[in-house]
Amino acid sequence: KAGVTQTPRYLIKTRGQQVTLSCSPISGHRSVSWYQQTPGQGLQFLFEYFSETQRNKGNFPGRFSGRQFSNSRSEMNVSTLELGDSALYLCASSLVPTYQETQYFGPGTRLLVL
Amino acid sequence: AQKVTQAQTEISVVEKEDVTLDCVYETRDTTYYLFWYKQPPSGELVFLIRRNSFDEQNEISGRYSWNFQKSTSSFNFTITASQVVDSAVYFCALSDYTGNQFYFGTGTSLTVIP
Repeated sequence: KAGVTQTPRYLIKTRGQQVTLSCSPISGHRSVSWYQQTPGQGLQFLFEYFSETQRNKGNFPGRFSGRQFSNSRSEMNVSTLELGDSALYLCASSLVPTYQETQYFGPGTRLLVL
Repeated sequence: AQKVTQAQTEISVVEKEDVTLDCVYETRDTTYYLFWYKQPPSGELVFLIRRNSFDEQNEISGRYSWNFQKSTSSFNFTITASQVVDSAVYFCALSDYTGNQFYFGTGTSLTVIP
């Protein structure tokens, strides 16, 4: 069974640009969660999608958005990039919402904003 | 407010020693979930355990064990007979009962010296 895949793995952008990251969950998993990891803020929860609906969202500005498609694949978008958005973005999938079920993480997308 | 504290920033042990990673949490909820994750040098998070607030039984999985004590708001993680492959950053996390909010500790970096 294929694991969680994230594309791209590495990305370099400049301030003001926008970026879209993709996450393909394990087959059959309907929940996808996104996390941001930075040296300064540590690991922070971004949002979770379940059956194409956003279940919850962490404390992030509106520049951070996401969506989930009918095949459970998810994308997150960051508009008007800032230097502080440089981070490792991790996605995780689970059969049902995160808190009820084991999560499986992807390798992450490392974003550098210059 | 909910909060997770991992006071130990870095721990080094010699292989085969036992090591305990501390996790203290704060929440006003009576129902909540606690988690532990491992992040090896490769960067990919690995889910280790989920425990709900009504289940105070200790859990053992191979060399790993978890001690949940509501009286002290702690959910400590012990690795018995540590191995070099246990070297990683370990995160403790707390979720409210709906799974709508998720809080991570700052992580404990464990180095196992051969």
